[in-house]
Amino acid sequence: AQSVTQLGSHVSVSEGALVLLRCNYSSSVPPYLFWYVQYPNQGLQLLLKYTTGATLVKGINGFEAEFKKSETSFHLTKPSAHMSDAAEYFCAVSSSGSARQLTFGSGTQLTVLP
Amino acid sequence: GAGVSQSPSNKVTEKGKDVELRCDPISGHTALYWYRQSLGQGLEFLIYFQGNSAPDKSGLPSDRFSAERTGGSVSTLTIQRTQQEDSAVYLCASSSKRTNTDTQYFGPGTRLTVL
Repeated sequence: AQSVTQLGSHVSVSEGALVLLRCNYSSSVPPYLFWYVQYPNQGLQLLLKYTTGATLVKGINGFEAEFKKSETSFHLTKPSAHMSDAAEYFCAVSSSGSARQLTFGSGTQLTVLP
Repeated sequence: GAGVSQSPSNKVTEKGKDVELRCDPISGHTALYWYRQSLGQGLEFLIYFQGNSAPDKSGLPSDRFSAERTGGSVSTLTIQRTQQEDSAVYLCASSSKRTNTDTQYFGPGTRLTVL
């Protein structure tokens, strides 16, 4: 069974500062990993995903994440935070069965301070 | 193009009533998923459809929950005899399933409040 742990339910950064949102996973098979963002009263929007190949994945809105197998991590970063980045971020791992349903972390609420 | 749509966007019901939640996936997407987002449980998988069949119902929390999909398109999630603990946002997602890595695209959700 897969699981995801997101460290820090709330993260605050100043506008222009580095954003780092942490995600660790547990999986018995090579994982497919995802980061989704959720703005208030909206559904989930995919930021980026790792399946195979290059371990540094670039996504939308300037976000990127690095898959580190040795650390079972998939942390999300952005060099310079913008006010519009304020949202809730979810890390997810895809199941190994045919359904490929997503198992989500508990989410991290990002606040960007002016 | 059109994304995943869900209706209603908000539903308030009384305890013990039945409710139906609708999901229209992206055209051509053969896989459809229902998830539930609640304060206490986070995001949970409920059920998966491939075409019209549901090979994985493992996430349905009780026999009061059922879902169907017709014509390989629209899906309906039905909750019978609603309880207050059913209050949550119900999210639908679809994917093309051409490969196992296909992205799931989410709808805006239906916020269910059981009084």
